[in-house]
Amino acid sequence: EAQLLESGGGLVQPGGSLRLSCVASGFTFSNFEMNWVRQAPGKGLEWVSYINSRGDTIFYADSVRGRFTVSRDNAKNSLYLQMNSLRAEDTAIYYCAGPSGLGYWGQGTLVTVSS
Amino acid sequence: SYVLTQPPSVSVAPGKTATLTCGGNKIGTKSVHWHQQKPGQAPVLVVYDDRYRPSGIPERFSGSNSGNTATLSISRVEAGDEADYYCQVWDTTSDRRWVFGGGTKLTVL
Repeated sequence: EAQLLESGGGLVQPGGSLRLSCVASGFTFSNFEMNWVRQAPGKGLEWVSYINSRGDTIFYADSVRGRFTVSRDNAKNSLYLQMNSLRAEDTAIYYCAGPSGLGYWGQGTLVTVSS
Repeated sequence: SYVLTQPPSVSVAPGKTATLTCGGNKIGTKSVHWHQQKPGQAPVLVVYDDRYRPSGIPERFSGSNSGNTATLSISRVEAGDEADYYCQVWDTTSDRRWVFGGGTKLTVL
């Protein structure tokens, strides 16, 4: 059974940085593209970023482009999201998710941006 | 960018059929996935590629997609089906983004 486990969330001041991690198990991580999806408090789901299996094709939502960087380490079955210049509106639960249609979701990690 | 439109709320009595819609321009040409999210929990895929159910999802959940509307039907609704439901497509026209509908809150009366 595929499992995704995020970590790295927490409280950060506006303008600060955080690095989220997601460790995958139960499937061949290196074969699959991955995504980050977030959900602000009381709001719907918002796609954040995509990375292909090799890590050489990457896309971002307009709301985070230039501030967030996605990467992966297939040897460690891990996906990362480096978040810089954080804003209050980045406050959300961040989910690691597998390819569209496979239903691989992590449990999420909460990022709170506040002074 | 591609937009998906869902009604904010749907109410249904136990034992009846709930019909949740997801509108989008020529959505019938795309593969639609439906995710269920209960309070405080991560989303769970309940229908993928318009009509297929992942392992463990009851047969009561079914999907269809044609023209400008995709539909998730839940028959013999139970109290445990109360949740937010999000439709989602993979928009590859310019990049590889996931597009979500705004979500529908299903209330079981």
